[in-house]
Amino acid sequence: DAGVIQSPRHEVTEMGQEVTLRCKPISGHNSLFWYRQTMMRGLELLIYFNNNVPIDDSGMPEDRFSAKMPNASFSTLKIQPSEPRDSAVYFCASSSAQALNQPQHFGDGTRLSIL
Amino acid sequence: SQQGEEDPQALSIQEGENATMNCSYKTSINNLQWYRQNSGRGLVHLILIRSNEREKHSGRLRVTLDTSKKSSSLLITASRAADTASYFCAPVAVNFNKFYFGSGTKLNVKP
Repeated sequence: DAGVIQSPRHEVTEMGQEVTLRCKPISGHNSLFWYRQTMMRGLELLIYFNNNVPIDDSGMPEDRFSAKMPNASFSTLKIQPSEPRDSAVYFCASSSAQALNQPQHFGDGTRLSIL
Repeated sequence: SQQGEEDPQALSIQEGENATMNCSYKTSINNLQWYRQNSGRGLVHLILIRSNEREKHSGRLRVTLDTSKKSSSLLITASRAADTASYFCAPVAVNFNKFYFGSGTKLNVKP
């Protein structure tokens, strides 16, 4: 079975540019999570969706970040405009549960570098 | 915050030895999950232990949970070089509204 698929794996762009990260969850999973990982702040939950609806976006750092889930098989995390401090590894994860009582399955992440 | 905090931050052992990592949290939980992260990869789920469980096993992994002390431990027996990774705990609050990872324990198993 295919796991969570993220694209691109690596992204290098200049400050001010728009960045779009993509995620395809595991088929049949109804919860999707976006995380950011840095050395300084560790692994931070940015937002999570349940049945395509955003449930908690309190971790989204600021208005420059937005996330969408137009259907059950696709989600995007967009940063506009990007800044050097956004450099991090961004992970997407999906789960089969509406409540947080089932394991999350992670993609291999997008390593984002903002110059 | 119910964010889990792992201890120690780093652990270096010889292959064949046991590795024990601890996790403490602050609020009442529904369950607590342990994950492993190999360098450059996403997290991989290891074990989920529910609040009414005290111990759970999976292969060489043993997880204990003490809700009175708000702590959990992950024991890896007969460690292998392939166990080298970072290990994270994630306590899930009773109202399921948050999911936080701690800063992790970085385990190095020397061959």
